[in-house]
Amino acid sequence: EAGVAQSPRYKIIEKRQSVAFWCNPISGHATLYWYQQILGQGPKLLIQFQNNGVVDDSQLPKDRFSAERLKGVDSTLKIQPAKLEDSAVYLCASKWGGVGTEAFFGQGTRLTVV
Amino acid sequence: GIQVEQSPPDLILQEGANSTLRCNFSDSVNNLQWFHQNPWGQLINLFYIPSGTKQNGRLSATTVATERYSLLYISSSQTTDSGVYFCAVGEAGTALIFGKGTTLSVSS
Repeated sequence: EAGVAQSPRYKIIEKRQSVAFWCNPISGHATLYWYQQILGQGPKLLIQFQNNGVVDDSQLPKDRFSAERLKGVDSTLKIQPAKLEDSAVYLCASKWGGVGTEAFFGQGTRLTVV
Repeated sequence: GIQVEQSPPDLILQEGANSTLRCNFSDSVNNLQWFHQNPWGQLINLFYIPSGTKQNGRLSATTVATERYSLLYISSSQTTDSGVYFCAVGEAGTALIFGKGTTLSVSS
């Protein structure tokens, strides 16, 4: 089966610009996550969706980050305006959703803010 | 929230050596996964192991849920095993919480 697809793979922007990332989860996976991984650290959750509803966005910096999952399939994560400290890899993951199932990750988008 | 501690933070091995990576977590969990992050940044699923023991080739893992730890064993290590190994845990319905990882370097 196809894995989690993310685009773009790389993005370089100037501070104060905006950027958007796209994720297509594994077919049939109801749960979708966005994680931020800063160099040298483990991934940190930004937001969790169940179908098209938000389950947990407590760690999402809502003044500049937004995410949506229209129709419960694809998702986009947006940063506006970007700051230097947003330089990181943004990982999307999906899971079927039932108890006892594992999450699978996409290849990530590496964002550099200059 | 749940705290996840991995040890050692760094590990340097010669090809062919065996190693054990440890993951301690601070509370009861329903989910536990081990990942290998390759040099290109891809997180590769190794094991889904909230309890018990599993083996896959040269890799095996054991989770003792009652004592809140998990171990990842790598036998006869190869240069392609190099990278960062993450343990991630979670409760039912919640997202995975990651440790800081163990960076493994295997030289020939």
